[in-house]
Amino acid sequence: KNEVEQSPQNLTAQEGEFITINCSYSVGISALHWLQQHPGGGIVSLFMLSSGKKKHGRLIATINIQEKHSSLHITASHPRDSAVYICAVRSPWGGSEKLVFGKGTKLTVNP
Amino acid sequence: GAGVSQSPSNKVTEKGKDVELRCDPISGHTALYWYRQSLGQGLEFLIYFQGNSAPDKSGLPSDRFSAERTGGSVSTLTIQRTQQEDSAVYLCASSPPAASEQFFGPGTRLTVL
Repeated sequence: KNEVEQSPQNLTAQEGEFITINCSYSVGISALHWLQQHPGGGIVSLFMLSSGKKKHGRLIATINIQEKHSSLHITASHPRDSAVYICAVRSPWGGSEKLVFGKGTKLTVNP
Repeated sequence: GAGVSQSPSNKVTEKGKDVELRCDPISGHTALYWYRQSLGQGLEFLIYFQGNSAPDKSGLPSDRFSAERTGGSVSTLTIQRTQQEDSAVYLCASSPPAASEQFFGPGTRLTVL
């Protein structure tokens, strides 16, 4: 079982819909990252969080440490949001900054 | 300012050849990471450098893989005696001191024939 599980693997939405992508992990962590990988391959860091909630524009990320679960929400989705969204966790042990990644959620937003 | 840069952007090589991939991190960033993304697979950690500390090499898949970081800046990932399963996109990222957000380069797409 992968240490980081994302759902769904693929998601298709109509423009304007509210999107939720989920991430569950099985290990203790010091932080969780949400990344966006565009069709061309470039990766952008969206959020890094260790508790609570963060918001940036139409994107909201939440984390529940007790339940080992995080969600990424996109409000008023737009075709330009089409990308692969990747969850990654950082272990607090041994001083390493190593990230363990989920397999990603491919989002397609149709106009 | 300039982001993380990687070169070459694409590399095609024959099985058994050695390859070197280069990463130029953002100036002032003390941490540097190498990752690999194989076709249809998720991102995989390879190696992590932090300042002058010993690197975390726990993700390197075999002893054919090595990396160095000179002067705390530029890093080179070397793959010796390449195999077809080494074909992947190799991504580099860097992060500033006391921060964990990582800034990714565009990647090097390696194809081993």
